[in-house]
Amino acid sequence: DAKTTQPPSMDCAEGRAANLPCNHSTISGNEYVYWYRQIHSQGPQYIIHGLKNNETNEMASLIITEDRKSSTLILPHATLRDTAVYYCIVRVEYGNKLVFGAGTILRVKS
Amino acid sequence: GAVVSQHPSRVICKSGTSVKIECRSLDFQATTMFWYRQFPKQSLMLMATSNEGSKATYEQGVEKDKFLINHASLTLSTLTVTSAHPEDSSFYICSAPGTHEQETQYFGPGTRLLVL
Repeated sequence: DAKTTQPPSMDCAEGRAANLPCNHSTISGNEYVYWYRQIHSQGPQYIIHGLKNNETNEMASLIITEDRKSSTLILPHATLRDTAVYYCIVRVEYGNKLVFGAGTILRVKS
Repeated sequence: GAVVSQHPSRVICKSGTSVKIECRSLDFQATTMFWYRQFPKQSLMLMATSNEGSKATYEQGVEKDKFLINHASLTLSTLTVTSAHPEDSSFYICSAPGTHEQETQYFGPGTRLLVL
């Protein structure tokens, strides 16, 4: 699976959009981009995933560049409860193991 | 979405004893489950892949004789930390993939192990 690069930390004001970038320049054509987050002392939580097209669900939006070498996770209105470590992961197919990188610590501040 | 549970949520044991951690898929079947370990302020590290009805697959550097994995049914995988030592103190997390194509993996809440 391709490697991802994320900034180690980011701050965001409560109520503002949080934009978390991820680079995956070696991504293959059949690899999906997945985003998970982990709130302190809990198991990771699935957020969203995509292959080529931008995706949106009740939690977030995922913007994937046309060349698929990078993506951005957008939390439209960040709250204090969104403070967590956010992991961007690429993997080939359903059921395959997930390999976690260091992730981005997002701190939402009031 | 699907739910994965772990038991116990936290455990304290003496050095040299063995500890068993259970991972259950509550409303779906999982022929494969994954076990991760996470040290403080570090990311999750994949330890092994648990396969129902067959031997687990361990990641490089993980001792299979120390971390025994049993996947006896389609809803239960167990991780036993044998002869635990203080350096085994960690947060252990399991996950299971959903049953539909391209579905995500579901993670348990984790088990905090402290070895004294």
